[in-house]
Amino acid sequence: EAGVAQSPRYKIIEKRQSVAFWCNPISGHATLYWYQQILGQGPKLLIQFQNNGVVDDSQLPKDRFSAERLKGVDSTLKIQPAKLEDSAVYLCASSLDSGGYNEQFFGPGTRLTVL
Amino acid sequence: GNSVTQMEGPVTLSEEAFLTINCTYTATGYPSLFWYVQYPGEGLQLLLKATKADDKGSNKGFEATYRKETTSFHLEKGSVQVSDSAVYFCALSKETSGSRLTFGEGTQLTVNP
Repeated sequence: EAGVAQSPRYKIIEKRQSVAFWCNPISGHATLYWYQQILGQGPKLLIQFQNNGVVDDSQLPKDRFSAERLKGVDSTLKIQPAKLEDSAVYLCASSLDSGGYNEQFFGPGTRLTVL
Repeated sequence: GNSVTQMEGPVTLSEEAFLTINCTYTATGYPSLFWYVQYPGEGLQLLLKATKADDKGSNKGFEATYRKETTSFHLEKGSVQVSDSAVYFCALSKETSGSRLTFGEGTQLTVNP
């Protein structure tokens, strides 16, 4: 079974530029998560989708971050404009569902460096 | 709100040494508790979990027991190997929070031959 795919793996941009990350979850997984992992810290949830609807985006900086999950499959996370403090690894995870506990499977992440 | 606190790292051990990584949590009700591992260059992987008090999760020689009275979920292994070198994250999840994971800061473990 294929795992969670993410691209690109690495991205370097200058502040005030925009950037987008892509995630393809495991086939059949209804729930998709985006986490931000700053160096030396644990991952922090940015947004959670159930199919193509948003379940939780309370920690998403909506003035600069946006995410969508069209057709309930792939998802993109965008930052516009980027700030220095956005340098982090962006992790995508998926699970069968969000009810009870369903194991979350993580992708390899996209490492963003903002100069 | 929910939070997870892990022992400060990094931790450096010799092969075959005993490992303990402390984890305590703050949450209302009965969260599920997890240990995730991140090997160099790889994504996060679930190592073990426990979903109710007094449950013991185990995998690959690692164990952790859900202690509600002390709000703890310490990770242990009796004899570590060089291949166990990785970053270990303690995390909790509550169904009322949509099953999102709240992570601790992670503990870097290095095992020397």
